[in-house]
Amino acid sequence: EPEVTQTPSHQVTQMGQEVILRCVPISNHLYFYWYRQILGQKVEFLVSFYNNEISEKSEIFDDQFSVERPDGSNFTLKIRSTKLEDSAMYFCASTLPGTRETQYFGPGTRLLVL
Amino acid sequence: KNEVEQSPQNLTAQEGEFITINCSYSVGISALHWLQQHPGGGIVSLFMLSSGKKKHGRLIATINIQEKHSSLHITASHPRDSAVYICAVIARDGGATNKLIFGTGTLLAVQP
Repeated sequence: EPEVTQTPSHQVTQMGQEVILRCVPISNHLYFYWYRQILGQKVEFLVSFYNNEISEKSEIFDDQFSVERPDGSNFTLKIRSTKLEDSAMYFCASTLPGTRETQYFGPGTRLLVL
Repeated sequence: KNEVEQSPQNLTAQEGEFITINCSYSVGISALHWLQQHPGGGIVSLFMLSSGKKKHGRLIATINIQEKHSSLHITASHPRDSAVYICAVIARDGGATNKLIFGTGTLLAVQP
């Protein structure tokens, strides 16, 4: 069964460093998402991406964040200058168009900013 | 105020018990999802509902659109059902992106 994959599974970085989280969505999916979950809190929407551009972003997704689909398969989330509060689990998800479609989640990247 | 509320937050059951987890939401929705999150963190979609009831194995999900309420039932619970169960909705006026708005989750522990 097709699945969403994410790399790395874990990343530890120093505050102020740039990190890139990578996702490979399911190949025929058209909508892509990044969500994050701070330890002990609920999952929060960060950004959605469709047709090679951001379709919606949350208040969390400030200028330090960016997304791109560089090669038609990978979908990346970049944090330019990490802060302590960026420590969280980051989930990528993908889906076909339509409100009645299942979102398929990747296994997540656990980011720890020291 | 959370747009999606779940109850209970924590639930401990004995193996074989019938379990109900509730979800209430305050926005008009296009669809409601029930998701399962295991201790390792991965999230798996269990059901997507826009009306009525769905059943998959020992899991049953129902939704009442008028009352803005959904329930997830687990029959004949088993220790392997232990996980966090999350309710998430797609708001009807949330734009075309179909982003999920998550509840806080219910931590279920089923004891042998």
